[in-house]
Amino acid sequence: NAGVTQTPKFQVLKTGQSMTLQCAQDMNHEYMSWYRQDPGMGLRLIHYSVGAGITDQGEVPNGYNVSRSTTEDFPLRLLSAAPSQTSVYFCASSERGSATYEQYFGPGTRLTVT
Amino acid sequence: GQQVMQIPQYQHVQEGEDFTTYCNSSTTLSNIQWYKQRPGGHPVFLIQLVKSGEVKKQKRLTFQFGEAKKNSSLHITATQTTDVGTYFCAGTLLFYTGTASKLTFGTGTRLQVTL
Repeated sequence: NAGVTQTPKFQVLKTGQSMTLQCAQDMNHEYMSWYRQDPGMGLRLIHYSVGAGITDQGEVPNGYNVSRSTTEDFPLRLLSAAPSQTSVYFCASSERGSATYEQYFGPGTRLTVT
Repeated sequence: GQQVMQIPQYQHVQEGEDFTTYCNSSTTLSNIQWYKQRPGGHPVFLIQLVKSGEVKKQKRLTFQFGEAKKNSSLHITATQTTDVGTYFCAGTLLFYTGTASKLTFGTGTRLQVTL
């Protein structure tokens, strides 16, 4: 199993550009989520999904969209990039449709918005 | 805002010294998880505590969940250089379980160990 994979590893965007961060897992996990990590802030939940076709907002959803058309994939879309979205983005998954289980994290995408 | 706080933010110890990080929530938690993130890496799950007053050990690591399920601690005995990293607690707030389940991470404690 590859586990949780994320692409790209690094990305530089100009303000106003849009892009999609990819996340995939091959463990048949129901629960998937996106976090952003900023210095001194820990990890903050952006969006999460308890199963295919179901998504919900986390703590910091503004400026981001998600969809979950398959169990395996959970892409994160930045609609119009802003410097405040410069961060490291982690995707995570867990076995059941709940956050009350061990989370498996991907390697992260380091995003810089200029 | 952030509902789960950790102290200290940073700790520098000599190898062999003990280390403790504390996690405090403003609301009752359903469960608490602990993760370790090495520099440049991603968070890796260490353990989950569910019961009030629960204590679990993993070799030199001891994890506790408070009686009121609002705080937790991680204690490392006789630190080694391999313990370097940032330790995060993460909890599910009691009233957000099932399909409303969200994991709230603490601010993290960065541990530096020198010889």
